[in-house]
Amino acid sequence: SQTIHQWPATLVQPVGSPLSLECTVEGTSNPNLYWYRQAAGRGLQLLFYSVGIGQISSEVPQNLSASRPQDRQFILSSKKLLLSDSGFYLCAWSVSSKTDTQYFGPGTRLTVL
Amino acid sequence: SQQGEEDPQALSIQEGENATMNCSYKTSINNLQWYRQNSGRGLVHLILIRSNEREKHSGRLRVTLDTSKKSSSLLITASRAADTASYFCATNSGGYQKVTFGTGTKLQVIP
Repeated sequence: SQTIHQWPATLVQPVGSPLSLECTVEGTSNPNLYWYRQAAGRGLQLLFYSVGIGQISSEVPQNLSASRPQDRQFILSSKKLLLSDSGFYLCAWSVSSKTDTQYFGPGTRLTVL
Repeated sequence: SQQGEEDPQALSIQEGENATMNCSYKTSINNLQWYRQNSGRGLVHLILIRSNEREKHSGRLRVTLDTSKKSSSLLITASRAADTASYFCATNSGGYQKVTFGTGTKLQVIP
């Protein structure tokens, strides 16, 4: 069966510090991968999605970036965090076919102070 | 931007009652999905309804889709305290597996 992992679960970082959040998927090949951010009590905002290694599409301009160094690894990064980067970050995957169901990881709670 | 807008934003009911949540969207879709999120957790897929379907059932869940009104509803029958969560609709309009999530309905089921 497929599983998706995210780490860390929680993170507290000072403004201006770098960020690296990791997501890995097991049990499937060539998945579509997604990074979302969820502000407190709000819906999900799609940040990045990837349909293959090295293929990253950005949905919103921001100081975050994403990379996909391996087929089942998706990394969210920042060189300098802003206060507004605080939120709940969710990674998800879907089968690269007509099936649109997305499967979510447990999320990372990021607080920027 | 958010394609789907859920209504109501929050709903509080007694255990055993039915809960109905609505979702409206703006553009044509290939399908619409409903997800559930427990507080501080990831989202869990509940049900997917395609644009050529009008109604779908899964256990205590019933989803309807009206493409002429660009709206969908999620009905949870005989609610339980464990149904307490936020519920999101998500629409797929494009060809690259991207879905757009709504703002969610926060459901509280009181035991």
